[in-house]
Amino acid sequence: GAGVSQTPSNKVTEKGKYVELRCDPISGHTALYWYRQSLGQGPEFLIYFQGTGAADDSGLPNDRFFAVRPEGSVSTLKIQRTERGDSAVYLCASSPGPGIGTDTQYFGPGTRLTVL
Amino acid sequence: GQQLNQSPQSMFIQEGEDVSMNCTSSSIFNTWLWYKQDPGEGPVLLIALYKAGELTSNGRLTAQFGITRKDSFLNISASIPSDVGIYFCARRGDFGNEKLTFGTGTRLTIIP
Repeated sequence: GAGVSQTPSNKVTEKGKYVELRCDPISGHTALYWYRQSLGQGPEFLIYFQGTGAADDSGLPNDRFFAVRPEGSVSTLKIQRTERGDSAVYLCASSPGPGIGTDTQYFGPGTRLTVL
Repeated sequence: GQQLNQSPQSMFIQEGEDVSMNCTSSSIFNTWLWYKQDPGEGPVLLIALYKAGELTSNGRLTAQFGITRKDSFLNISASIPSDVGIYFCARRGDFGNEKLTFGTGTRLTIIP
């Protein structure tokens, strides 16, 4: 079956603009995670959804970042008033859900965001 | 910030050589995961370790969960060109919120 998909693959925007990044998880996966990866670093956790609810948003850097998953499937990461420091690859991962097997997270290819 | 320290930061080897990299932490972990990331792709899980002292193989890859539960190593035998990439260790959060914390990564390059 299809893996995790993310759109767009690349996004270039200007400082101060609003952007939306989309994640389509693997069908049936109830858990969805967003990570941010800066150049030369490992991915860093942003937010975790179990179903429709954000179970842990402790990784969101500030209130300019927000994410939704209204129907428990597709998720959108929203960034307001973008800053140059927001430039990174934004990765999405999904997993079957806690308590189901070893609950491996499957990652999408990421969206590379560049803020000019 | 990152809690896991990986070494070396980068490796330059010839095809056919064996590779060893490790990951250390100041705190005790219940799981160790090893991921590989190719350019333009997300990380892919290679090996998962769940018990102190556990030694697990996946083809040419072998990983061990340290006895102290504060370290892990990954070995790759007889490297081939497709082994090129960045290798990350990671810890998984507790049951119910299994967010990952990644290490700093080891970049593997194969010299022709």
